[in-house]
Amino acid sequence: DTAVSQTPKYLVTQMGNDKSIKCEQNLGHDTMYWYKQDSKKFLKIMFSYNNKELIINETVPNRFSPKSPDKAHLNLHINSLELGDSAVYFCASSQDRGGVTYNEQFFGPGTRLTVL
Amino acid sequence: KQEVTQIPAALSVPEGENLVLNCSFTDSAIYNLQWFRQDPGKGLTSLLLIQSSQREQTSGRLNASLDKSSGRSTLYIAASQPGDSATYLCAVRTDSWGKFQFGAGTQVVVTP
Repeated sequence: DTAVSQTPKYLVTQMGNDKSIKCEQNLGHDTMYWYKQDSKKFLKIMFSYNNKELIINETVPNRFSPKSPDKAHLNLHINSLELGDSAVYFCASSQDRGGVTYNEQFFGPGTRLTVL
Repeated sequence: KQEVTQIPAALSVPEGENLVLNCSFTDSAIYNLQWFRQDPGKGLTSLLLIQSSQREQTSGRLNASLDKSSGRSTLYIAASQPGDSATYLCAVRTDSWGKFQFGAGTQVVVTP
């Protein structure tokens, strides 16, 4: 199936631990994103990569570090996890066609992170 | 700073009634606007994308309009069905780098 996939789907961990979330898209898109959806269901962009290059880096603690090994993958590593990091993290992708037209985003199923 | 508002926050309608969902944004300088639905515990499913130069888009029972000058988009869902129950989110693209601003969503319940 063509899609945006994320692993793991659920992640439960202790405060202070380091964890990673992986994202892959097989849609051939050139841009990938990480979003955080908090307990009030509000979605906020965290990072965006275009062809492995960091494009958007919102005001996110530097404990969060994205990595894009190639344009089909965007991983999110979180150091020293805190209670407030508990949320659902979504990966998304889009194909921007060189900035001529801006196309729709496709979202992954989300990773529910719970920090105890 | 762009702000996106969706009112009402929740809506309940009987099956068969038309749904009207509103999205407003404060800065008319947008690149496009996208409507999504989100089912509980699931990801976002793209419904419609309207480019900034377009006035509306249609897909099946769904129709979305865009009025940039007044900072509004409306999603119409004709002849609602219980399967339309979900949270509907709108997002505006605010720059060429891919920055999107989301509304908080409208939670819709369609009762049989």
